[in-house]
Amino acid sequence: AQRVTQPEKLLSVFKGAPVELKCNYSYSGSPELFWYVQYSRQRLQLLLRHISRESIKGFTADLNKGETSFHLKKPFAQEEDSAMYYCALSGYTGRRALTFGSGTRLQVQP
Amino acid sequence: DTAVSQTPKYLVTQMGNDKSIKCEQNLGHDTMYWYKQDSKKFLKIMFSYNNKELIINETVPNRFSPKSPDKAHLNLHINSLELGDSAVYFCASSHGVAGSGANVLTFGAGSRLTVL
Repeated sequence: AQRVTQPEKLLSVFKGAPVELKCNYSYSGSPELFWYVQYSRQRLQLLLRHISRESIKGFTADLNKGETSFHLKKPFAQEEDSAMYYCALSGYTGRRALTFGSGTRLQVQP
Repeated sequence: DTAVSQTPKYLVTQMGNDKSIKCEQNLGHDTMYWYKQDSKKFLKIMFSYNNKELIINETVPNRFSPKSPDKAHLNLHINSLELGDSAVYFCASSHGVAGSGANVLTFGAGSRLTVL
């Protein structure tokens, strides 16, 4: 079974502080991991995917297979980063759709 | 041009009624999905169609029936609406099926259903 766990419902930080949004997954195979973001009054959209190994809007995420984690990090949070962040997993067997975590709301305070 | 469009955006109705939500994508994608986002913001897959063929049918009540007249459209019909059906329903599309490496989803804006 595929499962994605985001343990924090809400993460509140001050502008300029480092941010780490946690994501752990359960999957018996090699999954693809994604982070999606939903800004206020906007659509859910892809932020980044692990196979791209890129930094988007200053965010990075590294797939750690040993810890089955895919935490999202940014060294210096900005107010415009405030949004709902979803970690998602796609497997090559079984359910063939993205499985989302429950989401973490990031609040960046001035 | 909106890539994935859903109608209506808001829907308020009484318990027991039947309602439909429509979704259309102009991206040329061959796979479409319906996700349900509950009051706690949890996103859960309901259905997925690939080239008009149902490939995912999660444990949802039979009152929910998806229909895909062509690969650009995926509609969701709900019979005998219940209070617990109140949620935001998101349509999404992708090129290819999840797990194939081509599974970046493009989402619609969501349809907020309120059952009174």
